Amino acid sequence: ETGVTQSPTHLIKTRGQQVTLRCSSQSGHNTVSWYQQALGQGPQFIFQYYREEENGRGNFPPRFSGLQFPNYSSELNVNALELDDSALYLCASSLDQGRPEAFFGQGTRLTVV
Amino acid sequence: AQSVTQPDIHITVSEGASLELRCNYSYGATPYLFWYVQSPGQGLQLLLKYFSGDTLVQGIKGFEAEFKRSQSSFNLRKPSVHWSDAAEYFCAVGDLVTNAGKSTFGDGTTLTVKP
Repeated sequence: ETGVTQSPTHLIKTRGQQVTLRCSSQSGHNTVSWYQQALGQGPQFIFQYYREEENGRGNFPPRFSGLQFPNYSSELNVNALELDDSALYLCASSLDQGRPEAFFGQGTRLTVV
Repeated sequence: AQSVTQPDIHITVSEGASLELRCNYSYGATPYLFWYVQSPGQGLQLLLKYFSGDTLVQGIKGFEAEFKRSQSSFNLRKPSVHWSDAAEYFCAVGDLVTNAGKSTFGDGTTLTVKP
């Protein structure tokens, strides 16, 4: 059984650029959630995808968007990057959309300069 | 809105000493509660969870936590700390009412272990 994997592990982007982060969910899990963790803070919920549909969203602007594919892997896209977008982005997969127990990947460290 | 407070930003204990990390939550219904551990530059690992039933739950690595509804608390404990326990610890509450699968996290407690 494979765990949650994220790519890339580290990324440096320039303000105003766009970025795509990728996540492969744990085997058998159909729900993926994305979190942003700024330095010194706890993770903040961005959104969740269940069976290719957005299933809940946190307090993030529309320039944060996502996709989920038929194999339940997922992408997080951020447009018009700002310096404050620098953070660790965590992907978590759950067995089902009604199950809050989530298994996290190692994260992608995004630095915006 | 749900929230989680971890009152202690940083705790230092000696190796072999006991540990208690505090967590208080605010949630309108029966909460789903979690403790996660994060090593530097790593993702989150689930230590234990409470959904219902026995209010004392056992987790991995010798950790346990007790749910106290009257105090809105879910404190994490370990009887004897090992140097490898040094890490960041996060308490979280899961939301099944308004946004299934969303968890709200506290800002974490950093644990330092003295030799």
